[in-house]
Amino acid sequence: QQKVQQSPESLIVPEGGMASLNCTSSDRNVDYFWWYRQHSGKSPKMLMSIFSNGEKEEGRFTVHLNKASLHTSLHIRDSQPSDSALYLCAASTDNRIFFGDGTQLVVKP
Amino acid sequence: GALVYQYPRRTICKSGTSMRMECQAVGFQATSVAWYRQSPQKTFELIALSTVNSAIKYEQNFTQEKFPISHPNLSFSSMTVLNAYLEDRGLYLCGASPQGGQNTLYFGAGTRLSVL
Repeated sequence: QQKVQQSPESLIVPEGGMASLNCTSSDRNVDYFWWYRQHSGKSPKMLMSIFSNGEKEEGRFTVHLNKASLHTSLHIRDSQPSDSALYLCAASTDNRIFFGDGTQLVVKP
Repeated sequence: GALVYQYPRRTICKSGTSMRMECQAVGFQATSVAWYRQSPQKTFELIALSTVNSAIKYEQNFTQEKFPISHPNLSFSSMTVLNAYLEDRGLYLCGASPQGGQNTLYFGAGTRLSVL
């Protein structure tokens, strides 16, 4: 079922630094991507979605999508300790949404 | 706003027994409900997608015989884990969407299943 692969598995960045997370799908039928964030013990919450080639920015968060390579990346600038969480990439195909196993981000003060 | 409630939040069952978990959508009509399992090793698997007025679609390695799902109306879904064993442990998440596919999923806090 592993249609969505994320890297790295875990990432440590200093407070104020840039965190870059990657996600690729192995399914050529994927049409939409999302990034979710899951704080420890909480439910995943949608962070950003991207459906078209290019870049989308919301505050400190930027998402890139290359549909040809089915690759998306999430970049968090000026990372804060409160950004520490599991970041999940999701992709939809045939009306179903599949998730990767996530990147565990730790932002050290 | 859109909220999804799941209950129970935690449950423990004996190996070979069954347990039922519920998912309630509040503030929107859950046309689609997807059930996921997040294992202790953090793998995130889609179990099945239930869309009102369509057949429930189970993913590979998950069957209706093991994980029967009910989605009787636009605000409620339930799933039972039959004959639970150690490999069924994990956090079961319900993700509800006003429509399928392109719409954002709203997740409940999950039901954490432990098996003794």
